[in-house]
Amino acid sequence: GDSVTQMEGPVTLSEEAFLTINCTYTATGYPSLFWYVQYPGEGLQLLLKATKADDKGSNKGFEATYRKETTSFHLEKGSVQVSDSAVYFCALTHGSGNTGKLIFGQGTTLQVKP
Amino acid sequence: DSGVTQTPKHLITATGQRVTLRCSPRSGDLSVYWYQQSLDQGLQFLIQYYNGEERAKGNILERFSAQQFPDLHSELNLSSLELGDSALYFCASSLGGLNNEQFFGPGTRLTVL
Repeated sequence: GDSVTQMEGPVTLSEEAFLTINCTYTATGYPSLFWYVQYPGEGLQLLLKATKADDKGSNKGFEATYRKETTSFHLEKGSVQVSDSAVYFCALTHGSGNTGKLIFGQGTTLQVKP
Repeated sequence: DSGVTQTPKHLITATGQRVTLRCSPRSGDLSVYWYQQSLDQGLQFLIQYYNGEERAKGNILERFSAQQFPDLHSELNLSSLELGDSALYFCASSLGGLNNEQFFGPGTRLTVL
């Protein structure tokens, strides 16, 4: 079945460091890909998305490019801030027979230190 | 604030009991999704309703059931509770259709003792 795999956390960085969180997926058809962020004590918020191959999603300085050849959707940010500390989830929706349900990776905790 | 509300915020109950979690979607959203977040299973899709009808089912136990009412709010019923049902339960809503952004509520934290 469809699945999403994220790099193990936690990831600890200093402020202004470069961030990469790896995400790869397995899916039939042509899934849409998402990054969600969960701040402590809150629900998930959509960070960015890409709906077809080679699309780049971007928001708040974060970027991810849909790479079909490597089945990847890695999250990057050039300069992280303390306020970016959160749990990041990569997710997909199945391409065919899609109802919109999300399949999530296990989440990666990011901690940014001043 | 996503516009999705969930009640209660916390729920503590005993094994064997039954509870009901409530979700009110964003105004205008027709689809409601339920997800379970636990330490061992991660975030898992449970069930989806669209305009009152069940649209998709995921890893939902037979002891669990849900419904969406005419005013589009949804309830998730969990019965014969076990310790392993302790988790954070999220509701999300969307307009419906493919690739629509899902807006998540703050969740209900269920603790089964």
